[in-house]
Amino acid sequence: RKEVEQDPGPFNVPEGATVAFNCTYSNSASQSFFWYRQDCRKEPKLLMSVYSSGNEDGRFTAQLNRASQYISLLIRDSKLSDSATYLCVVNMIGSQGNLIFGKGTKLSVKP
Amino acid sequence: ETGVTQSPTHLIKTRGQQVTLRCSSQSGHNTVSWYQQALGQGPQFIFQYYREEENGRGNFPPRFSGLQFPNYSSELNVNALELDDSALYLCASSLESVDPYEQYFGPGTRLTVT
Repeated sequence: RKEVEQDPGPFNVPEGATVAFNCTYSNSASQSFFWYRQDCRKEPKLLMSVYSSGNEDGRFTAQLNRASQYISLLIRDSKLSDSATYLCVVNMIGSQGNLIFGKGTKLSVKP
Repeated sequence: ETGVTQSPTHLIKTRGQQVTLRCSSQSGHNTVSWYQQALGQGPQFIFQYYREEENGRGNFPPRFSGLQFPNYSSELNVNALELDDSALYLCASSLESVDPYEQYFGPGTRLTVT
């Protein structure tokens, strides 16, 4: 089983749609969770951290379920500018500060 | 912009050659991590440098090596290049004492091995 697995995608949605990305992680000892966004041929950028209580940043909501080892990202009212690859990321156990990335899920928002 | 810079932007090398990639961390950040991102994959951790010493390593062979300098900038060296080394190489800086997981990525160096 891969350490971080994501929906394969791609997701093609119209503007204004709500879209949800799912991610599972294999190591129950993981403590830190993130969603990164990566535009085509650019570097990954931190979108948001994911906390046990869930957290929201504008149109973006992240949820963590430790029991199921599951992380989600919900984007409401999709914009054209949301088109990117979304990477689910967890911390690497035994190596402080280092991250394990999923393969990413590509989102295309169409007019 | 994160303030993390990398050079060169693009590089083409031949199998068997050696390459050095460079990274300048964001001002004040004392930790640099290197990642390899193959096409269609997420970044994979190569190693991290903190206080000029290797502070963790991923599943990469010894021909991948690095350095960190007193000004916290860093180099990634790859010897005996293989075709599968073709990838985007990303460095990320962080401040270990604040939040080691809050990493800021540079734009990457795209390496092509022919």
